[in-house]
Amino acid sequence: DVKVTQSSRYLVKRTGEKVFLECVQDMDHENMFWYRQDPGLGLRLIYFSYDVKMKEKGDIPEGYSVSREKKERFSLILESASTNQTSMYLCASSPTPGSSYEQYFGPGTRLTVT
Amino acid sequence: QKEVEQNSGPLSVPEGAIASLNCTYSDRGSQSFFWYRQYSGKSPELIMFIYSNGDKEDGRFTAQLNKASQYVSLLIRDSQPSDSATYLCAVTGDSTLTFGKGTMLLVSP
Repeated sequence: DVKVTQSSRYLVKRTGEKVFLECVQDMDHENMFWYRQDPGLGLRLIYFSYDVKMKEKGDIPEGYSVSREKKERFSLILESASTNQTSMYLCASSPTPGSSYEQYFGPGTRLTVT
Repeated sequence: QKEVEQNSGPLSVPEGAIASLNCTYSDRGSQSFFWYRQYSGKSPELIMFIYSNGDKEDGRFTAQLNKASQYVSLLIRDSQPSDSATYLCAVTGDSTLTFGKGTMLLVSP
């Protein structure tokens, strides 16, 4: 079974803090993705990566950055957390090189920024 | 802007009935279609994918695709209370998945 893990299930941070969300997958997948999910807005893609050290902006990259130094690990960084970044953050991975087919999700991190 | 539309529901069906979930998409070039199930407070779980026109069956689930009409549907036969969840439709565009906002399904005993 594909296993995608995220570093925290729940996280509370203060406005202005730098926040790191970590995601690790154990299936040697090429592609990794970061989404946020908000009521009424659905899943929105923040960033994705099809290879180590490669990153592409998704639909809502503002206020976020990412890092992929190793194939199995994809980190999402909130440079200066703001209250409008309170959300559920979901990491996903998929096996097919260069595509977003068949994405498998981690358990999610519910981030609250106060 | 690629769009994937789903009725938000809730769709309420009695136990044992067939639940029919529908999804339409705007990008005629979309090639692959996915259904995810999301229980409350949990992350989405991939349950079906379909690439070709027609039906694809997997146990109690059947995915149906009609590219000419730009819709994809998910049928759940013999619905169980454990099927109560939000079902997300997702469609591939150029290099990413576009998700619908989901349809909530409630199966009553």
